[in-house]
Amino acid sequence: EVQLVESGGGLVQPGGSLRLSCAASGFAFSLYSMNWVRQAPGKGLEWISSINSRSNVLYYADSVKGRFTISRDNAKNSLYLQLNSLRDEDTAVYYCARDLGHSSGYGPDYWGQGTLVTVSS
Amino acid sequence: DIVMTQTPLSLSVTPGQPASISCQSSQSLLHSDGKTYLYWYLQKPGQSPQLLIYEVSSRFSGVPDRFRGSGSGTDFSLKISRVEAGDVGVYYCMQGIRPPLTFGGGTKVEIK
Repeated sequence: EVQLVESGGGLVQPGGSLRLSCAASGFAFSLYSMNWVRQAPGKGLEWISSINSRSNVLYYADSVKGRFTISRDNAKNSLYLQLNSLRDEDTAVYYCARDLGHSSGYGPDYWGQGTLVTVSS
Repeated sequence: DIVMTQTPLSLSVTPGQPASISCQSSQSLLHSDGKTYLYWYLQKPGQSPQLLIYEVSSRFSGVPDRFRGSGSGTDFSLKISRVEAGDVGVYYCMQGIRPPLTFGGGTKVEIK
């Protein structure tokens, strides 16, 4: 069974930093691209970053480019998101999601339960 | 960036009746590999999103055949043939032809 478990969320002041983690199990993590998607309270879904299996192709949404960094450790079956220079508008539930990985397109299939990041003074 | 527009914003459906959601993209989602990268997700209340449909019309593992995706190019739809109580939530379309991946604004489906 595919499982994705996020951790690392919490309350942080504007300008602060956090590191989110996603522990993967139940599949060959090293073979799949991975994504981070967030959802602000009461709002829709916003894709923010993707990383391929070998970590040599990274993508970011403009809203987080230069502030957030995606990474992974295939030996530890883990995905990470470093959040720096946090703003109020970064408050959201952050989901880790596996990419379907079957073709040239990009699309999450399995999602974690999410971790809440609250940016507030 | 590709803009995804969903209609309607909300839908109230009698159990056993059909429901339909439309999604339009600002650019064609037809890739040079011949596939069209349009996905549908359902986020049930209090839960994470779950994949229903990929590449316009392929049902993901475990998704009942009451859910049917169709469309091409820039115009797509998701049809539920007979809505059940467990189908309530917010439905999102998403384009996956190239980053940034973008979602529609969502359609909230409720039971009458």
